[in-house]
Amino acid sequence: RKEVEQDPGPFNVPEGATVAFNCTYSNSASQSFFWYRQDCRKEPKLLMSVYSSGNEDGRFTAQLNRASQYISLLIRDSKLSDSATYLCVVNRRSGNTPLVFGKGTRLSVIA
Amino acid sequence: GAVVSQHPSRVICKSGTSVKIECRSLDFQATTMFWYRQFPKKSLMLMATSNEGSKATYEQGVEKDKFLINHASLTLSTLTVTSAHPEDSSFYICSARSTGGNSPLHFGNGTRLTVT
Repeated sequence: RKEVEQDPGPFNVPEGATVAFNCTYSNSASQSFFWYRQDCRKEPKLLMSVYSSGNEDGRFTAQLNRASQYISLLIRDSKLSDSATYLCVVNRRSGNTPLVFGKGTRLSVIA
Repeated sequence: GAVVSQHPSRVICKSGTSVKIECRSLDFQATTMFWYRQFPKKSLMLMATSNEGSKATYEQGVEKDKFLINHASLTLSTLTVTSAHPEDSSFYICSARSTGGNSPLHFGNGTRLTVT
């Protein structure tokens, strides 16, 4: 089983739509969680951290369910500029350790 | 602004030659940097952890003699792909943390290597 699993998509949605991405992780000891965004042929960029209580940043809402080892990202009022690949990312342990990346979910927002 | 700088952003080389990629932390000291590789339509895969002043730690399946890592200062790590072959063509990205251990990684802009 892969350490971080995501639905690869693609998700094709119209502008203004709400879209949700899900992710599961296998290591119950994982310490911290993030969503990154990656545009084509570019490096990943941090979108938001994911906290146990859930957190929101503008149109983006992230949720974490440790019991189910499940992370989600909700995007409201989709913009054309939201088109990208969204990466679910997990830090296995505390400390300065590498992050483990999911394969990503591709989103295309259509006018 | 960028906190991790990587150079070059793109390189094309002939099979059998070596290529050096530099990764610098800007305005902070990075005792640890991480090197990832990404093939087209695949996820980022960790290659190695670069430790300042000591040997790098390589992931299983990554040849340490082929991918030489040097982390000689607190702001610079280099990855040298030795005797490159076409199958080494990939997107190489370095990363580091500017704050505590559970904080997210900042990535360099990546190096797209094409070996002909």
